[in-house]
Amino acid sequence: KQEVTQIPAALSVPEGENLVLNCSFTDSAIYNLQWFRQDPGKGLTSLLLIQSSQREQTSGRLNASLDKSSGRSTLYIAASQPGDSATYLCAVLTSGTYKYIFGTGTRLKVLA
Amino acid sequence: NAGVTQTPKFQVLKTGQSMTLQCAQDMNHNSMYWYRQDPGMGLRLIYYSASEGTTDKGEVPNGYNVSRLNKREFSLRLESAAPSQTSVYFCASSERGGENIQYFGAGTRLSVL
Repeated sequence: KQEVTQIPAALSVPEGENLVLNCSFTDSAIYNLQWFRQDPGKGLTSLLLIQSSQREQTSGRLNASLDKSSGRSTLYIAASQPGDSATYLCAVLTSGTYKYIFGTGTRLKVLA
Repeated sequence: NAGVTQTPKFQVLKTGQSMTLQCAQDMNHNSMYWYRQDPGMGLRLIYYSASEGTTDKGEVPNGYNVSRLNKREFSLRLESAAPSQTSVYFCASSERGGENIQYFGAGTRLSVL
Protein backbone atom coordinates (compact mmCIF):
# COMPACT_ATOMS: atom_id res chain seq x y z
CA LYS A 1 0.00 0.00 0.00
CA GLN A 2 1.39 3.36 -1.03
CA GLU A 3 2.24 5.69 1.82
CA VAL A 4 3.34 9.29 1.41
CA THR A 5 5.26 11.16 4.08
CA GLN A 6 6.19 14.82 4.30
CA ILE A 7 8.77 16.03 6.74
CA PRO A 8 8.91 18.48 8.44
CA ALA A 9 5.27 19.07 9.33
CA ALA A 10 5.98 22.77 9.85
CA LEU A 11 8.76 25.13 8.83
CA SER A 12 9.45 28.78 9.61
CA VAL A 13 12.09 30.72 7.66
CA PRO A 14 13.10 34.35 7.19
CA GLU A 15 12.23 36.05 3.92
CA GLY A 16 14.76 35.55 1.13
CA GLU A 17 15.89 32.07 2.10
CA ASN A 18 16.02 29.24 -0.38
CA LEU A 19 14.27 26.20 1.03
CA VAL A 20 13.55 22.57 0.29
CA LEU A 21 10.41 20.63 1.15
CA ASN A 22 10.57 16.85 1.17
CA CYS A 23 8.15 14.16 0.10
CA SER A 24 8.84 10.42 0.32
CA PHE A 25 6.75 7.50 -0.91
CA THR A 26 6.98 3.77 -0.31
CA ASP A 27 6.04 2.30 -3.71
CA SER A 28 8.29 3.47 -6.51
CA ALA A 29 5.88 2.28 -9.25
CA ILE A 30 4.31 5.67 -9.67
CA TYR A 31 2.62 7.26 -12.68
CA ASN A 32 3.16 10.83 -11.60
CA LEU A 33 3.54 13.12 -8.61
CA GLN A 34 1.92 16.49 -7.99
CA TRP A 35 2.82 19.29 -5.61
CA PHE A 36 -0.04 21.42 -4.33
CA ARG A 37 -0.37 24.61 -2.34
CA GLN A 38 -3.20 25.13 0.13
CA ASP A 39 -3.94 28.47 1.76
CA PRO A 40 -5.89 28.51 5.06
CA GLY A 41 -9.58 27.85 4.49
CA LYS A 42 -9.08 27.34 0.77
CA GLY A 43 -8.88 24.54 -1.72
CA LEU A 44 -5.71 23.11 -3.26
CA THR A 45 -3.87 24.64 -6.18
CA SER A 46 -1.63 22.44 -8.29
CA LEU A 47 1.90 23.86 -8.54
CA LEU A 48 3.80 21.23 -10.49
CA LEU A 49 3.09 17.81 -11.98
CA ILE A 50 6.03 15.49 -12.66
CA GLN A 51 5.47 12.45 -14.84
CA SER A 52 7.32 9.27 -13.87
CA SER A 53 9.62 9.65 -16.89
CA GLN A 54 10.72 13.13 -15.81
CA ARG A 55 13.39 14.10 -13.31
CA GLU A 56 12.24 17.66 -12.61
CA GLN A 57 9.79 20.41 -13.41
CA THR A 58 10.18 24.15 -12.98
CA SER A 59 7.73 27.01 -12.66
CA GLY A 60 9.07 30.42 -11.76
CA ARG A 61 10.81 30.21 -8.38
CA LEU A 62 9.65 26.63 -7.88
CA ASN A 63 11.54 23.52 -8.89
CA ALA A 64 10.38 20.00 -8.16
CA SER A 65 12.59 16.96 -8.58
CA LEU A 66 11.69 13.29 -8.64
CA ASP A 67 13.85 10.28 -7.80
CA LYS A 68 11.61 7.26 -8.24
CA SER A 69 14.21 4.68 -7.28
CA SER A 70 14.70 6.23 -3.86
CA GLY A 71 11.02 7.15 -3.44
CA ARG A 72 11.66 10.84 -3.01
CA SER A 73 10.62 14.19 -4.37
CA THR A 74 11.73 17.64 -3.31
CA LEU A 75 10.15 21.04 -3.87
CA TYR A 76 12.72 23.82 -3.99
CA ILE A 77 11.52 27.38 -3.41
CA ALA A 78 14.01 30.08 -4.31
CA ALA A 79 14.15 33.48 -2.60
CA SER A 80 11.15 32.81 -0.38
CA GLN A 81 8.58 35.55 0.20
CA PRO A 82 5.88 36.06 2.85
CA GLY A 83 3.32 35.32 0.14
CA ASP A 84 4.72 31.79 -0.08
CA SER A 85 3.33 31.06 3.39
CA ALA A 86 0.90 28.16 2.98
CA THR A 87 0.69 24.40 3.38
CA TYR A 88 2.40 22.41 0.65
CA LEU A 89 1.17 18.92 -0.13
CA CYS A 90 2.51 16.25 -2.41
CA ALA A 91 0.35 13.56 -3.95
CA VAL A 92 1.40 10.37 -5.70
CA LEU A 93 -0.49 8.46 -8.37
CA THR A 94 0.56 4.81 -8.27
CA SER A 95 0.73 3.05 -11.63
CA GLY A 96 -2.38 1.05 -12.43
CA THR A 97 -4.63 3.10 -10.15
CA TYR A 98 -6.57 6.32 -10.41
CA LYS A 99 -6.18 7.21 -6.76
CA TYR A 100 -3.86 9.95 -5.66
CA ILE A 101 -2.38 9.33 -2.22
CA PHE A 102 -1.67 12.57 -0.39
CA GLY A 103 0.91 13.41 2.22
CA THR A 104 -0.18 15.36 5.28
CA GLY A 105 1.67 18.47 4.14
CA THR A 106 4.34 20.89 5.30
CA ARG A 107 3.04 24.14 6.78
CA LEU A 108 5.42 26.89 5.68
CA LYS A 109 5.67 30.33 7.24
CA VAL A 110 7.96 32.91 5.66
CA LEU A 111 8.73 35.75 8.04
CA ALA A 112 9.08 39.32 6.74
CA ASN B 1 -14.20 30.71 -15.75
CA ALA B 2 -15.44 29.72 -12.30
CA GLY B 3 -13.46 26.45 -12.31
CA VAL B 4 -14.83 24.06 -9.68
CA THR B 5 -17.76 25.34 -7.62
CA GLN B 6 -18.92 23.67 -4.42
CA THR B 7 -22.07 24.38 -2.45
CA PRO B 8 -22.68 24.92 0.37
CA LYS B 9 -19.50 26.36 1.89
CA PHE B 10 -20.54 25.53 5.45
CA GLN B 11 -23.09 23.15 6.93
CA VAL B 12 -24.04 21.96 10.39
CA LEU B 13 -26.07 18.75 10.68
CA LYS B 14 -27.48 16.72 13.50
CA THR B 15 -26.66 13.02 13.70
CA GLY B 16 -28.96 11.09 11.39
CA GLN B 17 -29.80 13.96 9.06
CA SER B 18 -29.11 13.69 5.36
CA MET B 19 -27.70 16.17 2.91
CA THR B 20 -26.18 16.47 -0.54
CA LEU B 21 -23.00 18.33 -1.36
CA GLN B 22 -23.01 19.79 -4.83
CA CYS B 23 -20.07 20.19 -7.19
CA ALA B 24 -19.94 21.61 -10.69
CA GLN B 25 -17.05 22.31 -13.07
CA ASP B 26 -17.04 24.41 -16.21
CA MET B 27 -13.78 23.18 -17.74
CA ASN B 28 -15.30 20.30 -19.73
CA HIS B 29 -13.30 17.82 -17.66
CA ASN B 30 -14.00 14.12 -17.86
CA SER B 31 -12.92 13.06 -14.38
CA MET B 32 -14.26 14.27 -11.05
CA TYR B 33 -13.39 13.39 -7.45
CA TRP B 34 -14.62 13.78 -3.90
CA TYR B 35 -12.09 13.97 -1.07
CA ARG B 36 -12.30 14.56 2.63
CA GLN B 37 -9.58 16.33 4.61
CA ASP B 38 -9.08 15.67 8.29
CA PRO B 39 -6.35 17.02 10.60
CA GLY B 40 -3.29 14.79 10.52
CA MET B 41 -4.81 12.48 7.89
CA GLY B 42 -4.21 14.33 4.65
CA LEU B 43 -6.76 14.14 1.85
CA ARG B 44 -8.51 10.82 1.31
CA LEU B 45 -10.48 9.88 -1.77
CA ILE B 46 -14.14 9.08 -1.15
CA TYR B 47 -15.42 8.48 -4.70
CA TYR B 48 -14.20 9.00 -8.21
CA SER B 49 -15.93 9.39 -11.57
CA ALA B 50 -13.80 8.74 -14.63
CA SER B 51 -16.50 9.97 -17.00
CA GLU B 52 -20.18 10.76 -17.17
CA GLY B 53 -22.17 7.75 -16.04
CA THR B 54 -19.37 5.99 -14.16
CA THR B 55 -18.41 6.08 -10.49
CA ASP B 56 -15.92 4.11 -8.39
CA LYS B 57 -15.19 3.82 -4.70
CA GLY B 58 -12.11 5.41 -3.24
CA GLU B 59 -10.39 4.80 0.10
CA VAL B 60 -13.25 5.82 2.41
CA PRO B 61 -16.63 5.33 0.66
CA ASN B 62 -18.66 4.01 3.60
CA GLY B 63 -21.56 6.27 4.56
CA TYR B 64 -21.54 8.14 1.24
CA ASN B 65 -23.20 7.89 -2.15
CA VAL B 66 -22.45 9.83 -5.31
CA SER B 67 -24.17 10.76 -8.53
CA ARG B 68 -22.51 11.92 -11.73
CA LEU B 69 -25.52 13.83 -12.97
CA ASN B 70 -23.89 14.94 -16.22
CA LYS B 71 -20.42 15.89 -17.37
CA ARG B 72 -20.45 19.06 -15.27
CA GLU B 73 -21.93 17.90 -11.98
CA PHE B 74 -20.89 15.36 -9.36
CA SER B 75 -22.79 15.27 -6.08
CA LEU B 76 -21.98 13.60 -2.77
CA ARG B 77 -24.79 12.44 -0.48
CA LEU B 78 -24.70 11.62 3.20
CA GLU B 79 -27.77 9.51 3.89
CA SER B 80 -27.51 9.45 7.68
CA ALA B 81 -24.81 11.77 8.95
CA ALA B 82 -22.53 10.67 11.78
CA PRO B 83 -20.09 12.73 13.90
CA SER B 84 -17.22 10.82 12.21
CA GLN B 85 -18.19 12.55 8.97
CA THR B 86 -17.30 15.95 10.39
CA SER B 87 -14.65 17.09 7.94
CA VAL B 88 -13.80 19.42 5.10
CA TYR B 89 -14.95 18.03 1.77
CA PHE B 90 -13.27 18.90 -1.50
CA CYS B 91 -14.41 18.27 -5.02
CA ALA B 92 -11.83 18.17 -7.80
CA SER B 93 -11.77 17.61 -11.54
CA SER B 94 -9.20 16.77 -14.18
CA GLU B 95 -9.26 16.51 -17.94
CA ARG B 96 -8.55 12.80 -17.98
CA GLY B 97 -7.90 10.83 -14.83
CA GLY B 98 -4.61 11.08 -13.03
CA GLU B 99 -2.66 12.03 -16.12
CA ASN B 100 -3.60 15.65 -15.72
CA ILE B 101 -3.55 18.40 -13.17
CA GLN B 102 -6.39 18.28 -10.66
CA TYR B 103 -8.38 21.45 -10.02
CA PHE B 104 -10.01 21.82 -6.63
CA GLY B 105 -13.05 23.63 -5.32
CA ALA B 106 -12.91 25.80 -2.20
CA GLY B 107 -14.37 23.08 0.01
CA THR B 108 -17.42 22.45 2.19
CA ARG B 109 -16.89 22.57 5.94
CA LEU B 110 -19.30 20.10 7.51
CA SER B 111 -19.96 19.62 11.20
CA VAL B 112 -22.14 16.77 12.44
CA LEU B 113 -23.31 17.18 16.02
